[in-house]
Amino acid sequence: GENVEQHPSTLSVQEGDSAVIKCTYSDSASNYFPWYKQELGKRPQLIIDIRSNVGEKKDQRIAVTLNKTAKHFSLHITETQPEDSAVYFCAASIIGGGADGLTFGKGTHLIIQP
Amino acid sequence: DGGITQSPKYLFRKEGQNVTLSCEQNLNHDAMYWYRQDPGQGLRLIYYSQIVNDFQKGDIAEGYSVSREKKESFPLTVTSAQKNPTAFYLCASSIVQGDYGYTFGSGTRLTVV
Repeated sequence: GENVEQHPSTLSVQEGDSAVIKCTYSDSASNYFPWYKQELGKRPQLIIDIRSNVGEKKDQRIAVTLNKTAKHFSLHITETQPEDSAVYFCAASIIGGGADGLTFGKGTHLIIQP
Repeated sequence: DGGITQSPKYLFRKEGQNVTLSCEQNLNHDAMYWYRQDPGQGLRLIYYSQIVNDFQKGDIAEGYSVSREKKESFPLTVTSAQKNPTAFYLCASSIVQGDYGYTFGSGTRLTVV
């Protein structure tokens, strides 16, 4: 089955700097890669996703890049703000297959220092 | 709120007791999932269901049971066989074979007392 590795487990950055979280996946058939943000005690919420037919997707301060050859994808947050502090999860799945749905990384605790 | 409702928000279980966590969705999603979340462990899949009256074990199903009698509902029972049930439990739903990711419930925090 799919295995998703996520690094780092904790990331501390100064407010206004950029943050990058990286994930690798094992199943070359995976073609859908979402990112979730989870604030303390809250539900995870989808913040951005990418499909394997594109290499990069942006939404304001957030971007995701995908390297299918190397089987890794990354989340980039620019101009970080205090409200970006949360745990971020990457995930992978196969559209149209993979009955057990998304496989998640173990999460990255992002800390924005004032 | 988000179309998927979990209850209760907090639940306390005594040793040897079975408890049931509720998950209801009005999104008309076919697939539903239960995850357990522990600090530093990410989200681990307990059970999932793609259609009514059918469900499959995930990676950590031992000590848990589910039912899917209605499309909207996917309750999780934590049995006395689950020796370390204290955790945050998340229910999610998705369009089967779609690519829109999951909608999560707000979670139930279960504590053994």
